[in-house]
Amino acid sequence: QKEVEQNSGPLSVPEGAIASLNCTYSDRGSQSFFWYRQYSGKSPELIMSIYSNGDKEDGRFTAQLNKASQYVSLLIRDSQPSDSATYLCAVNMRDSWGKLQFGAGTQVVVTP
Amino acid sequence: NAGVTQTPKFQVLKTGQSMTLQCAQDMNHNSMYWYRQDPGMGLRLIYYSASEGTTDKGEVPNGYNVSRLNKREFSLRLESAAPSQTSVYFCASSKTSGGNTGELFFGEGSRLTVL
Repeated sequence: QKEVEQNSGPLSVPEGAIASLNCTYSDRGSQSFFWYRQYSGKSPELIMSIYSNGDKEDGRFTAQLNKASQYVSLLIRDSQPSDSATYLCAVNMRDSWGKLQFGAGTQVVVTP
Repeated sequence: NAGVTQTPKFQVLKTGQSMTLQCAQDMNHNSMYWYRQDPGMGLRLIYYSASEGTTDKGEVPNGYNVSRLNKREFSLRLESAAPSQTSVYFCASSKTSGGNTGELFFGEGSRLTVL
């Protein structure tokens, strides 16, 4: 069983629509959660971090965290072709403090 | 404003050869990391260094060694390369270590092929 799981996709989203990405994790004691964006052939870059239950908004991105259900999600509103990328969920797990566990990533394709 | 710099960007090795991947950061970060990325596997931690003078194994350390030369530099060595080590390698750094560590800054990656 993978410790951080994501649907691999591709997730096809029409331009202007909302993209919804989900991530589940195994360690109930995990405290911090992150979303990275990775364009093809490039390195990952941090786009969102969330530490407490609820929603956190930053521009067109909203991260949602539910620790009781052990999932974290990312919403991308008004999706643009430039949002086409792979989105990596990362979790700081209690038993590997300071070492992020990454999911395999969800590929998002925004179609004009 | 270089951030995290990795060299080389591309390398082809024959089985059994050795090589060192170099990484340097200019952000005065304490923690540095080496990840490998394979298709469908996401990023897997090879080794990390919470601070100068310390190193720790990650998820996939076998076949690799690291050196934290100083606060800026963290190198990854393959002593006897194997085809299973064909991958894209990313170096990363972060300001702090511990529970809230998660804001990693990545280098551009090094694509290694072992024949």
